[in-house]
Parts: sequence; C-alpha cells; structure tokens
Amino acid sequence: QQPVQSPQAVILREGEDAVINCSSSKALYSVHWYRQKHGEAPVFLMILLKGGEQKGHEKISASFNEKKQQSSLYLTASQLSYSGTYFCGTAGNFGNEKLTFGTGTRLTIIP
Amino acid sequence: EPEVTQTPSHQVTQMGQEVILRCVPISNHLYFYWYRQILGQKVEFLVSFYNNEISEKSEIFDDQFSVERPDGSNFTLKIRSTKLEDSAMYFCASGGRYEQYFGPGTRLTVT
Repeated sequence: QQPVQSPQAVILREGEDAVINCSSSKALYSVHWYRQKHGEAPVFLMILLKGGEQKGHEKISASFNEKKQQSSLYLTASQLSYSGTYFCGTAGNFGNEKLTFGTGTRLTIIP
Repeated sequence: EPEVTQTPSHQVTQMGQEVILRCVPISNHLYFYWYRQILGQKVEFLVSFYNNEISEKSEIFDDQFSVERPDGSNFTLKIRSTKLEDSAMYFCASGGRYEQYFGPGTRLTVT
C-alpha cells in the first residue's frame, strides 16, 4: 500500500511557507523525504525514525506521528530552488528495507 | 561529497535485446537498490541487494531481470529481453543503515 500525499500540488510565492503531508495505512518505522526536479534523481532531504530520531538538512524540518502513521514536511521561507516534486518514502521494520513512495506533491515557487 | 554514479545516462535499445545498466554506489555503503520511474509516475522499487545477494524483490523484478556485484565497486542491473514497457528511468541507490542516496539515473528507451 503506497502512502498518500497531500496536497497533490501547491503554488507558493517566494518567501511563503508550505506543509506537505504523508499518510500510511501501515505501521511505519521510518519516513524518508525526497525532492525531485524534472529529469533528475530524487535528492535525499530528511529521514524520520520511529522513536524520534531525525537526520536531514538544516533548512528542512519534518514531523513524524507514529500513532497516526503520518509525517509532515515543513518548508519555510520558500526559495525558487525549492520547486520540484516532493516524495515521501516509507519503510517497514528495518531501516534498510525498500522504500514505498507516495504519488508526490508538486511544489511551484513563483517570484 | 561522495555520490552514486550511473552509466550510461541514456540507452536506446530494440525490443528483445539485452541491456546492462551500471552503477557505482557510495564506497562505504552496504545496501544497494534499483528503482525505476516511468515517465510522470512515482518511483517504484525493483530489488535490494545486501551481502552479495538479493534481499528483496518486487513483482516487477521477474526472470528477465538480474543483478550482480561483479567486483567491489560496481552494481549492475541486467534486463535479458527488453519489452516496450521496460522504457523508464532506472535509478540505482545505495545506503547505510537507514538513508538511501540515489544516482542520476539511466533513461532506457525500448523501441
């Protein structure tokens, strides 16, 4: 079962904030966030682990609600470079398991 | 910063031909993956590889697909007899305990 992301698309002006959500019907061990620009590889942004550990880039923040099986990615003071499609990937009981990706959220930042 | 590399960047082949996609993972990583992305769709897991053997594979990864780590650095995906529906972007990823880093991808076009 793939995770469900919302919204599917969002348009922001530079400097505005955005929240991207990821929900799963299965128990989660870890949630991985990636940004993909058109024609490029997904770029690792953040990983959140059951138990609260996080690892990622300084300017990105995210939350992981284990009980609700949800994660949210927070983009603050958005820059033009933030444009792209954001995917959450979920993994089960072990950190090195396959990632099951959501359908993505397309973020467009306009000047 | 170390990164995953892939060759070729683009491969065009005729239906029924064999192709080999190559990847050089990040050197101290122990877990290796292949994913694919059909144009406009989400990234899908194909296979994971650890300790010189397949640890998990998806339904997509049928008998036409195989993976190898022929030496200490390369990781290959072979498709024995390509079909039109194999046309996609193929991403190699490598990881440590949790996070996965993606290579730039090989665009495979089957005609």
